[in-house]
Amino acid sequence: DIQMTQSPSTLSASVGDRVTITCRASHFISNSLAWYQQVPGKAPKLLIYRASSLESGVPSRFSGSGSGPEFTLTISSLQPDDLATYYCQQYHNFWTFGQGTKVEL
Amino acid sequence: QVQLVQSGTEVWKPGASAKVSCRASEYTFTDFYIHWVRQAPGQGLEWMGWINPDNGGAEFAQRFKGRVTMTRDSSINTAYMELSRLTSDDTAVYYCARENDYGDFRGSFDSWGQGTLVTVSS
Repeated sequence: DIQMTQSPSTLSASVGDRVTITCRASHFISNSLAWYQQVPGKAPKLLIYRASSLESGVPSRFSGSGSGPEFTLTISSLQPDDLATYYCQQYHNFWTFGQGTKVEL
Repeated sequence: QVQLVQSGTEVWKPGASAKVSCRASEYTFTDFYIHWVRQAPGQGLEWMGWINPDNGGAEFAQRFKGRVTMTRDSSINTAYMELSRLTSDDTAVYYCARENDYGDFRGSFDSWGQGTLVTVSS
C-alpha cells in the first residue's frame, strides 16, 4: 500500500500569509496527486489534480507543485474562506489520502 | 452542474447491514466511475472502493473485501454501497464521489455527494 504523509498536522496563520503544506509518498506515484479542501460539516472539494493542475473555478492563489516523492500545496495569500482542513490523495495505485492538515488562525 | 445526492442519515444496530444511495444528475452516469469514501468522527478520509456504472464492475479496498457491496441502477442514475456486519467502528459519514481521470489512467474526485451519516448503535 502507498502511504501519504502530510506535514504539518496543524498550521496557524494569519490572513494574507503565504501557506505551504507538504505531502510525501511512500512509493513512486508519478504526478498522480490531488489536493482537497474540506470545511467542517461539508464534503471535500477538489483543488488540484495531476500535482499542479488547477481545478476549474478554484482561485488562482492555490497552486500545487512537486514530483515524487514530495509534493506541495501553496496558498499565496491566505483568505478567511481558506480556513479548513486540506488533504492530499494519491491515485497512482488505488487511492490513498494523507491524514490532513488543519489551517487555523 | 454535476450533482450527487445521497440518502439521509440512518441509525443501524450492530451486526446489521447499511445501504446508502447516491443519485447522479447533469452528466452521463455511465461515463464516470463512482467511488465511496468514509470519514469517522474527527478523523481523515478513507477510500472504500469504486463501481463502474457502465458494466457494474467494482473493486474494493482490501480491508473492506467480503463486507462491502457496490451496485448501481443505471435506469435511475443511482449507485449504492452496502456495508454488512456493522460495528461501532463503522460509524462515519459516507461519501460518494465521481472520478474524473482527465484522460489519464486513473483520476481524482471532482464531484462529491453531501455525505450520509451512518451511526451504529444498539
